[in-house]
Amino acid sequence: GAVVSQHPSWVICKSGTSVKIECRSLDFQATTMFWYRQFPKQSLMLMATSNEGSKATYEQGVEKDKFLINHASLTLSTLTVTSAHPEDSSFYICSADKQGNYGYTFGSGTRLTVV
Amino acid sequence: GENVEQHPSTLSVQEGDSAVIKCTYSDSASNYFPWYKQELGKRPQLIIDIRSNVGEKKDQRIAVTLNKTAKHFSLHITETQPEDSAVYFCAASKGGYQKVTFGIGTKLQVIP
Repeated sequence: GAVVSQHPSWVICKSGTSVKIECRSLDFQATTMFWYRQFPKQSLMLMATSNEGSKATYEQGVEKDKFLINHASLTLSTLTVTSAHPEDSSFYICSADKQGNYGYTFGSGTRLTVV
Repeated sequence: GENVEQHPSTLSVQEGDSAVIKCTYSDSASNYFPWYKQELGKRPQLIIDIRSNVGEKKDQRIAVTLNKTAKHFSLHITETQPEDSAVYFCAASKGGYQKVTFGIGTKLQVIP
């Protein structure tokens, strides 16, 4: 199967600090990973597409300077929420497609709470 | 870009009855349509998917139908059980490394 690991599963940080979230594909190489944000009782909204070895592609309305994405290897993508504020509190979740086989697998998600 | 509409937003059924969730998509280039089940606080889990070259797919109590001409697809759950209670999302994608666009979700409640 395809396994995607995400860490941490939850984090609480102070307003103004930065938080890094890791997304790893454990048993396959992922040239592309996706980062979503989900507010309570809402759908998953795509934030950006992470591409290994190149810049991420951000969706309209997502601040690239605030949500830094790094995809330095074929198995790891990171999302850094910089200068976090309470409105950034949300469920962040990554996904990857195993070699373009249409099998999108999600990480376990990260519950971010900014206080 | 792609726009996926899903309805109903909430659905209550009696245990043993069937549940149907409907979605429409806007981009005729989309060719992959997965359905996800999400329990509270957990990751979405793929329950069934269909590609545009197939009109219907079934897996035990779950089936999905696709009408490419009308650009709509539906999820059918038969003989519902309390453990089917969750939020269900439909989605559309152009497949292979392309982003997935989700519907708003349907909260399904199966009443014992």
